[in-house]
Amino acid sequence: DAGVTQSPTHLIKTRGQHVTLRCSPISGHKSVSWYQQVLGQGPQFIFQYYEKEERGRGNFPDRFSARQFPNYSSELNVNALLLGDSALYLCASSLDTGPTKQYFGPGTRLTVT
Amino acid sequence: QKEVEQNSGPLSVPEGAIASLNCTYSDRGSQSFFWYRQYSGKSPELIMFIYSNGDKEDGRFTAQLNKASQYVSLLIRDSQPSDSATYLCAGKRSNSGYALNFGKGTSLLVTP
Repeated sequence: DAGVTQSPTHLIKTRGQHVTLRCSPISGHKSVSWYQQVLGQGPQFIFQYYEKEERGRGNFPDRFSARQFPNYSSELNVNALLLGDSALYLCASSLDTGPTKQYFGPGTRLTVT
Repeated sequence: QKEVEQNSGPLSVPEGAIASLNCTYSDRGSQSFFWYRQYSGKSPELIMFIYSNGDKEDGRFTAQLNKASQYVSLLIRDSQPSDSATYLCAGKRSNSGYALNFGKGTSLLVTP
């Protein structure tokens, strides 16, 4: 089975622009979570979706939004990009509710100039 | 205070030795814990998870959880140079959906 996939791999944007990142979970997984990892830090939770509903939101501004589609893939949108948004954006897939394991995709490296 | 604390290292061990990675957490609501390995420029890879007090072994890896002391550890036996990476500890509350709280990670260097 294919693992978690993310696109694009790398992205360079200018301050003030908007970006959309995409994620496809492992087949059969219904939950997708998004994390931001700044260099030298651990991943920080942004959003979690399960069965197309938002189930959790981290401490990020409203410029960050996400959604999950009927096929369980997901998009993360960031508006009005700031230099501080430069990071590795990780998507994690998990099966369902409970203390289940999350599997990360390869990430999207976003650079804001 | 960050919810999950790790010593950033680097922790240097010789090849064949036991590497001991430690993590403390402040949120007593955290019920399950995960260890991820992250190579430079790559995404985190799940190594082990544990949610019961005591030890859990998987090959060369042993995870230990002590909820009374709010302490989690990962032991790597017979360390290999390929184990050189950053090890991330993460905790999850039972009522938080799937949000993982990560520490900053500990950099491990296994020298030949």
